[in-house]
Amino acid sequence: QKEVEQDPGPLSVPEGAIVSLNCTYSNSAFQYFMWYRQYSRKGPELLMYTYSSGNKEDGRFTAQVDKSSKYISLFIRDSQPSDSATYLCAFMNTGFQKLVFGTGTRLLVSP
Amino acid sequence: IAGITQAPTSQILAAGRRMTLRCTQDMRHNAMYWYRQDLGLGLRLIHYSNTAGTTGKGEVPDGYSVSRANTDDFPLTLASAVPSQTSVYFCASRGQGVDGYTFGSGTRLTVV
Repeated sequence: QKEVEQDPGPLSVPEGAIVSLNCTYSNSAFQYFMWYRQYSRKGPELLMYTYSSGNKEDGRFTAQVDKSSKYISLFIRDSQPSDSATYLCAFMNTGFQKLVFGTGTRLLVSP
Repeated sequence: IAGITQAPTSQILAAGRRMTLRCTQDMRHNAMYWYRQDLGLGLRLIHYSNTAGTTGKGEVPDGYSVSRANTDDFPLTLASAVPSQTSVYFCASRGQGVDGYTFGSGTRLTVV
């Protein structure tokens, strides 16, 4: 079983749609749950992170963590063409030793 | 502008040749990392360094070597390139906290 599973997409939505991106994981030691955004030919940039379970909101973005199900989600409200990118989930334990990434989901938002 | 500089941005390399990918950061971060990104496999850790003078192996270290002579530089060397090393390589550094990771813009390497 892979440590992290993420649907590669592509996920195509019209502008204004609500987008849901998801990852599952198997390592119970993960305590930090992150979402990175990667534009074409660029490095990943941290979008938001959550410690332990719960929700976190930042503007149009909401991150959810369900540790009991080992499942995390990123919701994007009122999606914009500028949101078109690859979204990578990432995980880390409390030792901050290394990031474990999902394979990324490519999102396309059409005008 | 603070950040990570990677060079070259892209390279076509003949199999069997030696190549060093350069990475320099100006944020005085202790920890630095090299990842490769391949379609369907995501980002995989090659080597890391927690502080100058120390290095460690990641998930896919075979065929690669690193050195960390000072805080700012973390070069990645392919001693004898093979086609399976065709990939996009990202250097990263980590400052304080979970949100302290910074990635470079990557080096796109094609081994033919």
